[in-house]
This record gives sequence, C-alpha cells and structure tokens, in this order.
Amino acid sequence: EVQLVESGGDLVQPGGSLRLSCAASGFTFSNYWMFWVRQVPGKGLVWVSRIDNAGSRTSYADSVKGRFTISRDNAKNTLYLEMNTLRSEDTGVYYCARYGDYVTGFQHWGQGTLVTVSS
Amino acid sequence: QSALTQFASVSGSPGQSITISCTGTSNDVGSYNLVSWYQQYPGKAPKLIIYEVNKRPSGVSHRFSGSKSGNTASLTISGLQAEDEADYYCCSSTDTTFIVFGEGTKLTVL
Repeated sequence: EVQLVESGGDLVQPGGSLRLSCAASGFTFSNYWMFWVRQVPGKGLVWVSRIDNAGSRTSYADSVKGRFTISRDNAKNTLYLEMNTLRSEDTGVYYCARYGDYVTGFQHWGQGTLVTVSS
Repeated sequence: QSALTQFASVSGSPGQSITISCTGTSNDVGSYNLVSWYQQYPGKAPKLIIYEVNKRPSGVSHRFSGSKSGNTASLTISGLQAEDEADYYCCSSTDTTFIVFGEGTKLTVL
C-alpha cells in the first residue's frame, strides 16, 4: 500500500525558515515524480513544486520561486521542501502527492502537515 | 495563473443528478485533455475521482462522470447520496505553470 507521511510543519515567524519532509513507503520511490500541494485552511488547493524521479529536474509555482527548494533522497525514500523567507501567505496545510500508475492525476496523498507563518 | 472558476456551492436532493462546472481558458482546460477532479472531506486529503477529463480510477463509483466542452470541464454526480457531500476541485494542465486547480465547489446534499 502506498503511504506518504509528511512532517515538519510548525508555527514560524515571517522571514523564517522550515523544512518539510515526506516519508514514502509501499512503492519504489525512485521511479516516481513527486509533488507538493498547499491548501490554506478553508480555501482551495495550490500546486507548489515538483521534482523528477532522479531529483535532477524541479519546477515551482511563481509564488514560491526563489524561496522554496524541493529535493529528495531516494536512498531514504524521502521528499523534502526547504522553505525560506516565509510569508503569511505561505500558511497552509502542505501535502506531498504522487500520480497513480498510468493515472495522470494525484491518486496518492499524504495526510498533510500544517505550516503557520505568523508573528 | 489564476485559479479555474467554479461556483462556490451547489446542492441537490438524494437521488438527483448534479453537475459542477469548471471554467478555464484556451491556455489550460481548452488546450489539454488533462483535467482531473478531486473530492475532499473536511480535515482529509483530497481523493482523485476523475482524470483525463472522463476516466475513473479503480474503485471510484460509476456515479461520477466527467466531460469537457471548449474551456469548460464538468463533473456530474448521478444518484446523489448523503456521502457525496464534500468539496470538489477541478485541476488542469496549463501552458504557463505546471497545473492549476479550481476554486472549489461545496456540494450540499439536502
């Protein structure tokens, strides 16, 4: 069974930094692109970042470009999101997600980790 | 990239059919057959119910169906049940960013 478990969410002041992790199990992690999606409580979903299976290609939403860095450690089956210069609008639940097999949609999601940026 | 447009809420009675629309532009919904739909209960992660406009992942009820015309995608739920009460989000590939989600529609089963 595919499992994605996020951690690292916390209350942080504006301008601060945080690193999120997503531990993957139940599948061959190194075979899949991975994604981060954010949801402000009570609001919609926003794609944040993605990384290819080898970790060599990444892309970001404009709102986080230059401040967030996605990475992965295939030996540890773990996805990361390094978040710097945090702003109040970065507040939300951060999900890691994966497409299904032969399914072009996010079929697998973690439970999410809450990041609150506030003074 | 602005979010795809969805009505904030829709309602229906048990047994009825309802349709949720998702309007984008020629740069996203209109250009790609990569529209997906997600169902989300409060406090839970989203669940994929439709991908590639009209395909259902294994295990998703046949009561859910998707379609697209021009820049607008639609999700239809037939034989509405109480358990369908949830938030629904569309998503599309885009020319600019990787993907864009809709604003979300809250479905109330009366």
